[in-house]
Amino acid sequence: QVQLQESGPGLVKPSQTLSLTCTVSGGSISTAGYFWSWIRQHPGRGLEWIGYIYSGGYTDYNPSLKRRVVISLHTSKNQFSLELNSMTAADTAVYFCARGYSSSWYHDSWGQGALVAVSS
Amino acid sequence: SYDLTQPPSASVSPGQTANMTCSGDRLGDTYASWYQQRPGQSPLLLIYQNNKRPSGIPERFSGSISGNTASLAISGTQSVDEADYFCQAWDTRSACVVFGGGTKLAVL
Repeated sequence: QVQLQESGPGLVKPSQTLSLTCTVSGGSISTAGYFWSWIRQHPGRGLEWIGYIYSGGYTDYNPSLKRRVVISLHTSKNQFSLELNSMTAADTAVYFCARGYSSSWYHDSWGQGALVAVSS
Repeated sequence: SYDLTQPPSASVSPGQTANMTCSGDRLGDTYASWYQQRPGQSPLLLIYQNNKRPSGIPERFSGSISGNTASLAISGTQSVDEADYFCQAWDTRSACVVFGGGTKLAVL
C-alpha cells in the first residue's frame, strides 16, 4: 500500500515562494501508469487541483495557477515537490499530495495534508 | 473553465439510501470518481471509473452514470457516513483534473 506524506513550512510570508515536498513510500514514484498530483483545500471549501507530474516528467497545471506553479520529481529520493510563488493570503489552505492512476484519472492514495498559512 | 456541479447539501435518515449527483458537460465522455472526506481527514477514494469500488470499500457504496450526470448512492446509511462527498473527472478538452464543489451529507 503506497503512502504519501507532505512536508514543508506551516507559515509563509506574503510574496514569498511556498515549497512543499511529498515523500512516497511503499511504491516507486517511477512506476509507469501513475501521475502525482498536488491538490489544495481552502478552509471550509472544496478541493482545487493544482497540477500533476508523470513519472517521465511531463507536467500540467491548473490554468488559474499555471504562471505561479512548478511541480518537480526527485526520483532518487522517491519524492515530488511543489513550488508556488508570489503567495498571498488567498493561498492559505491545506495542501494534499496524491497519486493518480493515469488511464482512468482517479486519485487512489492521498497524503494527510499540510496546512499552510500566509501571513506577515 | 470546466465545472462539475454538485448540490451543496443532502440529508438522509439512518438506514435509508442517500443519493448524490454530479453534473458536467462532456462528463459522459470521461470517467467520474467519488471521494469521501470526513472532518480533519484527507479524501478517501470510494468509486472510480464511474461504478467501480476499490478493495475495502463497502458494497453499500455504488456509483452510476447517465448521460452527463454521475451519481453516488449509499444504501443503509449510517451516522459514520456523515461527511463531504466530492466527484472528480478529467476534462478531455483542457487536460485538467476537475473536482465538484462537494455535497455535505447529514444523517438525521
